[in-house]
Amino acid sequence: GAGVSQSPSNKVTEKGKDVELRCDPISGHTALYWYRQSLGQGLEFLIYFQGNSAPDKSGLPSDRFSAERTGGSVSTLTIQRTQQEDSAVYLCASSLTQVGGRGAFFGQGTRLTVV
Amino acid sequence: SQKIEQNSEALNIQEGKTATLTCNYTNYSPAYLQWYRQDPGRGPVFLLLIRENEKEKRKERLKVTFDTTLKQSLFHITASQPADSATYLCALVASGTYKYIFGTGTRLKVLA
Repeated sequence: GAGVSQSPSNKVTEKGKDVELRCDPISGHTALYWYRQSLGQGLEFLIYFQGNSAPDKSGLPSDRFSAERTGGSVSTLTIQRTQQEDSAVYLCASSLTQVGGRGAFFGQGTRLTVV
Repeated sequence: SQKIEQNSEALNIQEGKTATLTCNYTNYSPAYLQWYRQDPGRGPVFLLLIRENEKEKRKERLKVTFDTTLKQSLFHITASQPADSATYLCALVASGTYKYIFGTGTRLKVLA
């Protein structure tokens, strides 16, 4: 597609349920990022992929969070046993190269609400 | 500790004036500094990038400066318009890394 696509755009889930968030990056972009943005806050780095591998998972808040990327393209962020503090907007971005010499292109985000 | 600071207070300016936003950082050696625009309910949109060896970059009504001695970047919008109203984020990328570290953003409101 022309841009980074994320689905769903909104997700309301009950505490304790698992959720999957999907990101479809721009075709040909090898670098893929997941960020989290809470209300009125900046972007919190979660994980970075170069191709299918994730050299940096340091931002994942707990072992309830995991992510994978297949075929160097689509990525899925999974949150198990969701908690209310997981409520936030989850943003995915892709970039042509792994070095930050170019801008990152963001999707519109998935707004997750845990009730 | 590493820190990126943007003015958390909203900036209100009159249409036609130049808006100047500030990004200060400590304990970083950024190779690149980037500016993004974010509208409510949307993801950030890349605007401009400046490298550590560049002092200034321009794009249409936008200008970015980068002072590695002061550890500061200034982002200017000249002849501002109400459509420029948004939150503006700065992001650093350290040398040899890939991770974009974002500031919390400054909300700009251009009054007609």
